[in-house]
Amino acid sequence: NAGVTQTPKFQVLKTGQSMTLQCAQDMNHNSMYWYRQDPGMGLRLIYYSASEGTTDKGEVPNGYNVSRLNKREFSLRLESAAPSQTSVYFCASSILAGANNEQFFGPGTRLTVL
Amino acid sequence: KQEVTQIPAALSVPEGENLVLNCSFTDSAIYNLQWFRQDPGKGLTSLLLIQSSQREQTSGRLNASLDKSSGRSTLYIAASQPGDSATYLCAVQGYNAGNNRKLIWGLGTSLAVNP
Repeated sequence: NAGVTQTPKFQVLKTGQSMTLQCAQDMNHNSMYWYRQDPGMGLRLIYYSASEGTTDKGEVPNGYNVSRLNKREFSLRLESAAPSQTSVYFCASSILAGANNEQFFGPGTRLTVL
Repeated sequence: KQEVTQIPAALSVPEGENLVLNCSFTDSAIYNLQWFRQDPGKGLTSLLLIQSSQREQTSGRLNASLDKSSGRSTLYIAASQPGDSATYLCAVQGYNAGNNRKLIWGLGTSLAVNP
């Protein structure tokens, strides 16, 4: 039981390049989330998917797109990377959204945009 | 708008000491409050989740309390060990408009337990 996995662990991009961050969970959770963590800002929600087939914007969605590929997988895409997107990205999952449900986190992807 | 504050930002204690980490939030309309641990360069590990109807939760040497009316939670760590050194994050899940389904995070307390 791997929990929440993320790939890649590290990535360096040039401004304007695109990439997709992958996330998968094997806990049969319905809800999945993408966060970014920046020094002095705390974690901020980018997008979430309450259930398979649905996605919603979080606090900081601009510059990102997501795809809930199936119940297990939730990907985050940067279409044209900017230096302001340099951050650590975390994927999380929970049984349900909007209720008393614990969120479980992946190990993170450390992204640098030059 | 919900805001979460954690005090102190950093704490250094000798091994064996009992310690308290504080978390305060501005909007009492919450589903739950979670405490997480983050090791340097690592992901987040959930430690305890307290539902809005609960007053406290315990796991091993950890005890978390919740006082919704005053907007406060504490994480008590008994008999601290060097392995407890990490950053401890508090997050609340709100249900008011604009806060629904979101975890709102504090900036964390960086704990160092010295042998």
